[in-house]
Amino acid sequence: EAGVAQSPRYKIIEKRQSVAFWCNPISGHATLYWYQQILGQGPKLLIQFQNNGVVDDSQLPKDRFSAERLKGVDSTLKIQPAKLEDSAVYLCASSLPGMSSPLHFGNGTRLTVT
Amino acid sequence: KQEVTQIPAALSVPEGENLVLNCSFTDSAIYNLQWFRQDPGKGLTSLLLIQSSQREQTSGRLNASLDKSSGRSTLYIAASQPGDSATYLCAVPTSGTYKYIFGTGTRLKVLA
Repeated sequence: EAGVAQSPRYKIIEKRQSVAFWCNPISGHATLYWYQQILGQGPKLLIQFQNNGVVDDSQLPKDRFSAERLKGVDSTLKIQPAKLEDSAVYLCASSLPGMSSPLHFGNGTRLTVT
Repeated sequence: KQEVTQIPAALSVPEGENLVLNCSFTDSAIYNLQWFRQDPGKGLTSLLLIQSSQREQTSGRLNASLDKSSGRSTLYIAASQPGDSATYLCAVPTSGTYKYIFGTGTRLKVLA
């Protein structure tokens, strides 16, 4: 099966600029997650979707981050305006519904904010 | 609040050695526990998922155990190979949710 696709792989922007990341999950996976991974740390959940509804966005900085999942398939994560501390790898993951299914991750987008 | 700790942070072993990676968590009311592998510049690859009702799971040279009551899991790698060099992370969901909390990982280097 095709894996989780993410683009772009790398992005360098200046602070206060905006950026968007795209994710295409594995076909049939209703649950989609966006994680932020800062160098040397484990991934931190930003937002979780079930189909196109938000399940958890408690750790999403909503003043600057937004995410949507149209038609319950692809998803985009946007940062506007970016801050230096947003430099990280942004990982998208998907899974089948329920707690018996493992998470499948994409290769991530490495964001550098200068 | 669920907290996940992984010890050691880094490990370097000669090829062929059997090794154990540790994961501890503070809230034992979990649905499951997952072990992942992360290669440099890559995403995470799921290795093993242990349901809360299970004690262990095996896949090839990997064996993961779960002791919910003590808040611990171990990942056992038999006959380590240079290709096993990577960062290994464990993750558990926060009690009553599907929100996974990750440890900071163990960076493993297997020397040829």
